[in-house]
Amino acid sequence: GNSVTQMEGPVTLSEEAFLTINCTYTATGYPSLFWYVQYPGEGLQLLLKATKADDKGSNKGFEATYRKETTSFHLEKGSVQVSDSAVYFCALTGRVNYGQNFVFGPGTRLSVLP
Amino acid sequence: KAGVTQTPRYLIKTRGQQVTLSCSPISGHRSVSWYQQTPGQGLQFLFEYFSETQRNKGNFPGRFSGRQFSNSRSEMNVSTLELGDSALYLCASSPKPGETQYFGPGTRLLVL
Repeated sequence: GNSVTQMEGPVTLSEEAFLTINCTYTATGYPSLFWYVQYPGEGLQLLLKATKADDKGSNKGFEATYRKETTSFHLEKGSVQVSDSAVYFCALTGRVNYGQNFVFGPGTRLSVLP
Repeated sequence: KAGVTQTPRYLIKTRGQQVTLSCSPISGHRSVSWYQQTPGQGLQFLFEYFSETQRNKGNFPGRFSGRQFSNSRSEMNVSTLELGDSALYLCASSPKPGETQYFGPGTRLLVL
């Protein structure tokens, strides 16, 4: 079945450091890929998405490129801020009629220190 | 457009009781999914409803049930609560299954 693998956290960075959170997936067909962010005490917010190979999703300085050849969707940000401290989830949605549609990774906790 | 709303936001129950949580999706969204989030198990899929029909169900015991109404609002029920049911319960809506999901703030349930 479909699955998402994320790098294990927690990830601790200093402010203005470069961020990469790795995400790889296994899916049948051509899934859409997502990054969600969860701030403390809140629900998940959609951060960015990409619906086909080579698409780049971007938002709030975060970027991720849909790489079909490596089945990856790594999240990057050039300069993190303390306010980026949160848990980040990679997710995919697969074929509508094939089992659970939305599959989430385990989440990666990011802590940014001033 | 108003986002996904969940009520109540916080709930304290004792073992053996039952609880009902409510979710109102974004206007026009007909698919609602429920997730349980705990520190140890992460985000786990409970079930998905579309047009009042359960489309998918996760690996949870029968004590967990849900339903969806004709206005797309959804409820989930947990009977005979156990300590391990303490969690954040998240609801997400999308226009149709397989489309981008938008989450509510969650209901935090504490079972004593």
